[in-house]
Amino acid sequence: GAVVSQHPSWVICKSGTSVKIECRSLDFQATTMFWYRQFPKQSLMLMATSNEGSKATYEQGVEKDKFLINHASLTLSTLTVTSAHPEDSSFYICSARDANYGYTFGSGTRLTVV
Amino acid sequence: AQSVTQPDIHITVSEGASLELRCNYSYGATPYLFWYVQSPGQGLQLLLKYFSGDTLVQGIKGFEAEFKRSQSSFNLRKPSVHWSDAAEYFCAVGILLRSGTYKYIFGTGTRLKVLA
Repeated sequence: GAVVSQHPSWVICKSGTSVKIECRSLDFQATTMFWYRQFPKQSLMLMATSNEGSKATYEQGVEKDKFLINHASLTLSTLTVTSAHPEDSSFYICSARDANYGYTFGSGTRLTVV
Repeated sequence: AQSVTQPDIHITVSEGASLELRCNYSYGATPYLFWYVQSPGQGLQLLLKYFSGDTLVQGIKGFEAEFKRSQSSFNLRKPSVHWSDAAEYFCAVGILLRSGTYKYIFGTGTRLKVLA
C-alpha cells in the first residue's frame, strides 16, 4: 500500500524559532498533499492544501506567513512553523492521495514550543 | 455550510459488548463518508468509506457503518468490542475538489474506552 512518512515524530523548540516538518510519499507521487492540525481533545482541522509546483491553498484563518508550505517535488511537502509560540504547540498531520490506495496519512508530528 | 457532528465525546463499553458510534453530517451534495481511527500519538487509519452503492459498508477490524440519507447519518458499529479497539474515532466528509482530489471535514471525534 501507499506510505506517507512524516518527520520528525516529535519536536521541542524554543519560542521564536522556526520548525520544519517534512511529509514524504514513499512509493507514489502526490501532486496534492494536505496539512492538518489537531488541538487536544479537538478534531483535525485542515490548514492548507499543498500543490506541487505552485502556491499552497490556505484555509480561512490560517496565517500564510506563519505556516510556510513548500511542495517542491512530487514526493515531498514541508510545513515550516515560523517564529513559533507556545500556542502553536499542537499535533500536525499530513496526508497524500495515491491513485490506487486513496488517502494515506502520516504518523503526525507533536510540536511543543517552550 | 458543511459540517460533521459526533455527539458523543466519550463512550465506555465492556469488552465483548456491541458498539455504535454516531455521526451526522451536513452537506449539500452526495456525501463521501469516512471513518478513521487514531491511536494515541499516531496518525489516522482508515476504517471504512462510503462513496455510493450498498449503504452498509464493511471495513477493517470487524467494523461496519450504515449510510442513512434520510437521517444524514453514518454510524459506525461493531458487534463485539476488543480491548485493542480503545482509541479515538473520527467521522469525516470528503469534499471533491476541482482537481479531482478531496479535502476532509472531520467531526470532533469520539474517545472509546473499553473495560476489561
